[in-house]
Amino acid sequence: EPEVTQTPSHQVTQMGQEVILRCVPISNHLYFYWYRQILGQKVEFLVSFYNNEISEKSEIFDDQFSVERPDGSNFTLKIRSTKLEDSAMYFCASSEGKEGPSTDTQYFGPGTRLTVL
Amino acid sequence: AQTVTQSQPEMSVQEAETVTLSCTYDTSESDYYLFWYKQPPSRQMILVIRQEAYKQQNATENRFSVNFQKAAKSFSLKISDSQLGDAAMYFCAMNYGGSQGNLIFGKGTKLSVKP
Repeated sequence: EPEVTQTPSHQVTQMGQEVILRCVPISNHLYFYWYRQILGQKVEFLVSFYNNEISEKSEIFDDQFSVERPDGSNFTLKIRSTKLEDSAMYFCASSEGKEGPSTDTQYFGPGTRLTVL
Repeated sequence: AQTVTQSQPEMSVQEAETVTLSCTYDTSESDYYLFWYKQPPSRQMILVIRQEAYKQQNATENRFSVNFQKAAKSFSLKISDSQLGDAAMYFCAMNYGGSQGNLIFGKGTKLSVKP
C-alpha cells in the first residue's frame, strides 16, 4: 500500500540555521500538508498546498517557514532561521483531492523529529 | 473557533475486552467531518474511522465503531475484542467544510492493551 515517506527521521540543528524537511507524498495525491507536534502538545496544522501554491496557512506559519514542491515527487518544508521553540515532530500528509481538502482523508508520514540546540 | 478535546490521556484494556475512548468537539460549522487516527509507537498515523456529520448512522470498521452524538458534540471510539496490536496513541480530529485541510486534533489518548 502506498505510503507517505519523510526524511530525515531525526534532524539536529543549531539555533539560527536553516533546515529543510523532506516528504514524498503518495503519488496520485493532489493536496499536501505540514503539521507539527511540540512534545506533550497537540498536533497543529501549519500549511496546506495545492496546485503549486499555498491554500491555507496557520498563524504559526510565519515568514520563517516556506514550502515547495521542487519536482514531481518531493514536498519540502524549509525553516529559514531555526529557533529553540521550533523543536517538534513535523508531519507531512497528503490527500487525493477527489472530494476536496475539507472532506478528504489525509494520509500521514512517520514524521521528522527536529531538535534545535 | 473549532476545538477538539480528549479528556483521557491514558487508557488501559485487557486483551479481548472492549474499551471506549472519549472525544468532544466544538464547532459552529454545520458541515464537518470527524476522524480517529491511530499512531503505533514509532509509526505513522493511520486512519481508523471517519464520520460525516450529516450522516446519522454511526460509522463502523470491523472491530472499531463510533458513537456520534451530534447534539452533545461527542464522538467516542469503541474498540471491541481488543488486540495487542491496538496499543497505540489515538487521536481524534475534525475537519470542516470550507477549510483547506486544516485538521484540528485532540491531544491524544495512549491506549495500552494487557495480555
